[in-house]
Amino acid sequence: GNSVTQMEGPVTLSEEAFLTINCTYTATGYPSLFWYVQYPGEGLQLLLKATKADDKGSNKGFEATYRKETTSFHLEKGSVQVSDSAVYFCALSDRGTGGFKTIFGAGTRLFVKA
Amino acid sequence: GAVVSQHPSWVICKSGTSVKIECRSLDFQATTMFWYRQFPKQSLMLMATSNEGSKATYEQGVEKDKFLINHASLTLSTLTVTSAHPEDSSFYICSASPASGSIADEQFFGPGTRLTVL
Repeated sequence: GNSVTQMEGPVTLSEEAFLTINCTYTATGYPSLFWYVQYPGEGLQLLLKATKADDKGSNKGFEATYRKETTSFHLEKGSVQVSDSAVYFCALSDRGTGGFKTIFGAGTRLFVKA
Repeated sequence: GAVVSQHPSWVICKSGTSVKIECRSLDFQATTMFWYRQFPKQSLMLMATSNEGSKATYEQGVEKDKFLINHASLTLSTLTVTSAHPEDSSFYICSASPASGSIADEQFFGPGTRLTVL
């Protein structure tokens, strides 16, 4: 079945450092890929998405490229800020006989120090 | 933007009692709502999908008689954990989608409800 694996956290970085959070997936079909972010005390928010191979999703300085050959969707940001501290979830969505389903990775907590 | 609320945010109950969790879409009509369960340091696991006015579709391994889902209106879905036991303690998250069959980026998530069963 489909699955998502993302790097374990927590990840601790200093402000303005480069961020990479790795995400790989297993899917039988052609899923859409997503990164969600959860700030403390809030619900998950869609950060970015890509719906087909080689698409690049980007938002708020974050970006991720749908790599079919490596089944990956790594999240990157060139210069993190303290306000980026949150939990990041990689996810895939695929349509099956019962409608679409979203499968989430375990989440990676990011701490950014001033 | 689209806002989804959950109530309560935190509940503690005794073993054997039932607990109801509400999920509301505040500024849009939710044709489809999803209920997830999250264990500490683990993924969100989809429990069930509910469409307004029809029975919920439960994922394999989820007991429908234990986790009762009602989606009676376009802005409210409820999850009732019946005869709760300590192993039901978890973080329950709902999401709402404004259109049936929409792709996942149209899901809007609630902040979650932490259930502790003593």
